Order: sequence, then structure tokens, then C-alpha cells
Amino acid sequence: GESVGLHLPTLSVQEGDNSIINCAYSNSASDYFIWYKQESGKGPQFIIDIRSNMDKRQGQRVTVLLNKTVKHLSLQIAATQPGDSAVYFCAERGDTGRRALTFGSGTRLQVQP
Amino acid sequence: ETGVTQTPRHLVMGMTNKKSLKCEQHLGHNAMYWYKQSAKKPLELMFVYSLEERVENNSVPSRFSPECPNSSHLFLHLHTLQPEDSALYLCASSRKGLQEITEAFFGQGTRLTVV
Repeated sequence: GESVGLHLPTLSVQEGDNSIINCAYSNSASDYFIWYKQESGKGPQFIIDIRSNMDKRQGQRVTVLLNKTVKHLSLQIAATQPGDSAVYFCAERGDTGRRALTFGSGTRLQVQP
Repeated sequence: ETGVTQTPRHLVMGMTNKKSLKCEQHLGHNAMYWYKQSAKKPLELMFVYSLEERVENNSVPSRFSPECPNSSHLFLHLHTLQPEDSALYLCASSRKGLQEITEAFFGQGTRLTVV
């Protein structure tokens, strides 16, 4: 299910390390952001979301940081596990009627055992 | 499982064929979406349905025809496709409040190959 053929930036980490995946968005009017994980042969899976009135939100082993000044979003994964290997996408809800999400091109995370 | 089911998982069709992709959700969501994921581009929004009414069509060629008979089902009818239409077609649904989308739940996708 991943974007095979699309040149994706790749982050390679050792099992147990922390991972940080970054995303730059372009629409300063976007008010809601989501991180998705897509494993091979599967559809994107919701990980965590954040609204623009927040700058940090934590989930189980994951943290999303939002910097609206520089239009930057990051996903931090603590104690990365082999099962975290996947393509990660950020998505934003812009101001075109707020009806749908716009996705970034994704980052491939490879976890080395 | 996300609660969004797509069938078939894989489809190979000739350029003169007519086929349909099916999506079903039982999450009580009132908005459904078709996205295209191809090898050379990020996820592209194709169609948005809210309360069974199509509210957005992102300049998709007419050889793709969506149908939303009720809030739980969404179809994508395909006819006279081109090889460049080969891609992973993803269905998603979401609960919308005040016309604003929240998180979208995706199906597993249909891998379409046009020969």
C-alpha cells in the first residue's frame, strides 16, 4: 500500500531509539492535522491528531508537535519497535470548506533490529 | 480493522472493461471519500460525499463515476480506463461536525491494474 516508486525520504533507526518524523505544511489557514501510518499492503491508519490551538499532544508512545510559526509538524515515536516500520503521512485540513484532508508525500521509517 | 471494508482487494481490468469498486462502513459516519494513491504522487482526493450528496469532485475524469446510495456504502464505477489509472484506490469515512472533517478512517484499498 505504500507509495512504491515515489521517492520517499527514509529514516532508519535502531530498535529502542526514539524516532522523529517531520512534515512541512503549506497552508497557514489549516486548523487540524493528523498523522497516519501505512504498512505494506494496508490503508493508512490513524495515529494521532492535533488542532491548531495546541502545540503538543501526546498519545501512547507518540507525541505530535505543531509549530505554526514555521508551518511544521513532527511525530515523535518513543522506543521505536520493528512493528513501527511503515510509511508515515501527515495530513492537514485546510480552509477549502474544511471538507477533506490534504496529504503530504510521506516518510518511510525503517527500524533496524 | 478500521471498520471500513473495500472490495475487491485486487482488480485487473482491460481498457474496454467496466468494473466497480465497493466500500462499506458501519461506523455511523456520515461522510465518505475516494482517494487515489499512485506510484508517483501522494494521496489524491477524488470525491467527497456528505450525507449521500457529492460535495466535492477534484477534477476527476468522467471515466470515474462515484455513487453513494446511502451513508454506509460508496461505489466507484470504472469504464474505459487508461494504464495510468493503475493505482491503489482508497476509501475513507469520517464523522463530520459542523461541516468539518475530523479523522478519516481508511479501508485496505483496492489495487487496480489496467492492462
